Amino acid sequence: QVQLVESGGGVVQPGRSLRLSCAASGFALSGSDYGMHWVRQAPGKGLEWLAVISYDGLTQYYADSVKGRFAISRDTSKNTLYLQMNSLRAEDTAVYYCARYVAAVGLDNWGQGMMVTVSS
Amino acid sequence: EIVLTQSPGTLSLSPGERVTLSCRASQSVNSRYLSWYQQKPGQAPRLLILGASTRATGIPDRFSGSGSGTDFTLTISRLEPEDFAVYYCQQFGNSPYTFGQGTNLEI
Repeated sequence: QVQLVESGGGVVQPGRSLRLSCAASGFALSGSDYGMHWVRQAPGKGLEWLAVISYDGLTQYYADSVKGRFAISRDTSKNTLYLQMNSLRAEDTAVYYCARYVAAVGLDNWGQGMMVTVSS
Repeated sequence: EIVLTQSPGTLSLSPGERVTLSCRASQSVNSRYLSWYQQKPGQAPRLLILGASTRATGIPDRFSGSGSGTDFTLTISRLEPEDFAVYYCQQFGNSPYTFGQGTNLEI
């Protein structure tokens, strides 16, 4: 079955970098039906969409709040999605989810979430 | 950016009641690209409705979605205890693929 497992979270100081990973199983990231997204949720707040990478890896889109600081990428040989987060701020503190997108369906499978805390 | 406004923010209801949640978009959204999610405390969101009106796999038929253009609704015909959660709409019509702020259904 489809499974997404995030890793790489933790506590980081403001201004530093962190890379989140999302290991996928049960399907291929390179499959033509799938895009991959990152979504986050600050403590006690709602869902915030962050980024997407297309099935072929050629297209990425970002929310304004992270554009220029975060980068989404993937390694199809490892079937793993990444989120490189640079210049981290206190307001980036959140649970980060990776999720699989199926066209005209939505985010049909989600990871368990990974906490990132930005604090000195 | 398409802003999705959900109402109400919080609803206090009892099991057995019927509820309708609203999601209003700041500009027209192709209904193919409007989804609804349920989130319980400490859990990842779960896809409920795709294409504005189609239940996702395994979702009970007490959940239904409707709407088009800028106005979408999620209806739960008869609330079960496990339905008390936060509900979000999301659009995939235009990047950024925004979420509504959520509606909290509480007992």
